[in-house]
Amino acid sequence: DQQVKQNSPSLSVQEGRISILNCDYTNSMFDYFLWYKKYPAEGPTFLISISSIKDKNEDGRFTVFLNKSAKHLSLHIVPSQPGDSAVYFCAVRSYAGNNRKLIWGLGTSLAVNP
Amino acid sequence: GAGVSQSPSNKVTEKGKDVELRCDPISGHTALYWYRQRLGQGLEFLIYFQGNSAPDKSGLPSDRFSAERTGESVSTLTIQRTQQEDSAVYLCASSSPTGAQDTQYFGPGTRLTVL
Repeated sequence: DQQVKQNSPSLSVQEGRISILNCDYTNSMFDYFLWYKKYPAEGPTFLISISSIKDKNEDGRFTVFLNKSAKHLSLHIVPSQPGDSAVYFCAVRSYAGNNRKLIWGLGTSLAVNP
Repeated sequence: GAGVSQSPSNKVTEKGKDVELRCDPISGHTALYWYRQRLGQGLEFLIYFQGNSAPDKSGLPSDRFSAERTGESVSTLTIQRTQQEDSAVYLCASSSPTGAQDTQYFGPGTRLTVL
């Protein structure tokens, strides 16, 4: 039973346009939400995060939106660049005692076409 | 500064053999995590070390899996009597938990193939 769902396995956009990646979660107790980017043969790289007390966080071309009532998270990349082509993972933090482990979605493969 | 490193980068082994995977976290990071990613799947939590506390082993899939960490440095993940379903990329991450923010930094992973 997946607690974090990324329903689009892939997404293709034109360079310069907006990329929107979506993530849904099931547990309202999650308190911290992250996006990671992964290139082939590399480990995931932290991109941007948001805590449950906010609904928006922006960092350059990347903005994360959090809708707690809908249990929905999205990542906007604008303008998209070919170097953004990668797999994007949504991850949420779940406290289990002192364990700050992350629960991950299956990822969305983004292709930005020149 | 140096990031998280893992070795070997690739490991091919025969079913039934034991393997050891190594992780060198970022210096000063007190928290260390092991995850694995099977083909087409998301990352799956395995084990968590935080300072001198007892590790959280709740994600280990069977008693064939074990991990150790010496102080706040190197960690070793051991898989005994490997099975084909153990084939995956094993990822290590470290972090320095401070307050609400706790960004985990990942190594490049070890790709394990069990024949």
